[in-house]
Amino acid sequence: TQLLEQSPQFLSIQEGENLTVYCNSSSVFSSLQWYRQEPGEGPVLLVTVVTGGEVKKLKRLTFQFGDARKDSSLHITAAQPGDTGLYLCAGSNTGNQFYFGTGTSLTVIP
Amino acid sequence: DTGVSQNPRHKITKRGQNVTFRCDPISEHNRLYWYRQTLGQGPEFLTYFQNEAQLEKSRLLSDRFSAERPKGSFSTLEIQRTEQGDSAMYLCASNTGTGAPGRYGYTFGSGTRLTVV
Repeated sequence: TQLLEQSPQFLSIQEGENLTVYCNSSSVFSSLQWYRQEPGEGPVLLVTVVTGGEVKKLKRLTFQFGDARKDSSLHITAAQPGDTGLYLCAGSNTGNQFYFGTGTSLTVIP
Repeated sequence: DTGVSQNPRHKITKRGQNVTFRCDPISEHNRLYWYRQTLGQGPEFLTYFQNEAQLEKSRLLSDRFSAERPKGSFSTLEIQRTEQGDSAMYLCASNTGTGAPGRYGYTFGSGTRLTVV
């Protein structure tokens, strides 16, 4: 059961464009993480957010945790081909595991 | 720090055979996780170890699956009598900490790609 829904599922844009990826759930999470995964590799952690309304920036990437801690967004400014990959959000409540979203596959065309 | 290491990277097996995968976590990480990822999906939780204790198992982990972490260091995941539906990427991750695991990000290995023919 996927508790987290990501949209869009696929996204293909030109280099230099901006984009936003969404991660939504009906469940409240104590923390939420974003990962980027390249083909044939494991996911790599980008950021962890724990406070409702929290905004974190990582160079051209901006992450926001919803006020109610049920949703999150990832905004990329001036996308580059190196941003290509599968973006996964993952939420955790009080348990030992993370629930991963369905992923957004991003392709940035040079 | 060499990261999380998984072996083998790829495994092709015939249906009905047994397979075993190995994960070597980051040395100071006391928590170890196994996830399974099928094409087009996010990783799904299988099981979790804190040191050598297996503290949680998913319902996805049928009786054919068993995982161990005998000395609290490396871990093995065995699948007995493999089925075609077992074909997936098996990911190992580790982290550390004493509080709620959710506050600590995972470091994932590169995974083992299993193909059952």
